[in-house]
Amino acid sequence: EVLLVESGGGLVQPGGSLRLSCAASGFTFSRNWMNWVRQAPGKGPEWVANINQDGSEKYYVDSMKGRFAISRDNGKNSLYLQMSSLRAEDTAVYYCVGGNYWGQGTLVTVSS
Amino acid sequence: DIVMTQTPLSLSVPPGQPASISCKSSQSLLHSDGKTRLFWVLQRPGQSPQFLIYEVSNRFSGVPDRFSGSGSGTHFTLKISRVEAEDVGVYYCMQNRQLWTFGQGTKVEI
Repeated sequence: EVLLVESGGGLVQPGGSLRLSCAASGFTFSRNWMNWVRQAPGKGPEWVANINQDGSEKYYVDSMKGRFAISRDNGKNSLYLQMSSLRAEDTAVYYCVGGNYWGQGTLVTVSS
Repeated sequence: DIVMTQTPLSLSVPPGQPASISCKSSQSLLHSDGKTRLFWVLQRPGQSPQFLIYEVSNRFSGVPDRFSGSGSGTHFTLKISRVEAEDVGVYYCMQNRQLWTFGQGTKVEI
């Protein structure tokens, strides 16, 4: 069974930082591109970033370049998203997506 | 950026009746590898999204055959031959020809 389990979400003040993690199992993590997709309350999904199999290629949606950083550790079957300079509009459920599966998401709330 | 536009935005369908959702992309989704990078995604109420269809017309494992996808270039369609209660949710088309972008979503109700 494929499992993608996100963690690290929570309440953070504007301007703050947060690191999300995604633990993958049930498929060959190291052979798959991995993605972060977010969904603001009541809105549709918005792709955030992705990373290739060995971490040498990374792509971001323009609005998050320079603030967010995607990374992976194939030895730990884990995906990460380092978020900084967080804004209220970054409030969303963040999903880890890969191997054709979506995780359950982790909620990030940016508020003072 | 490739913009995805879905119609209609909502659909109410009697059980057992067909349903159809259209999706248009602002650019061709035909990739240089010969594959057309169009997915359909379903988000049931209170759940994470899940992939239904990839490369226009291929169902993911476990997706019932009442779901079918068609289209090419910039125009695509998702059809449900006979809507069932478990099909309720929001359907999104998604492209990964250039990064990923999603349509606005079509809410399907029974």
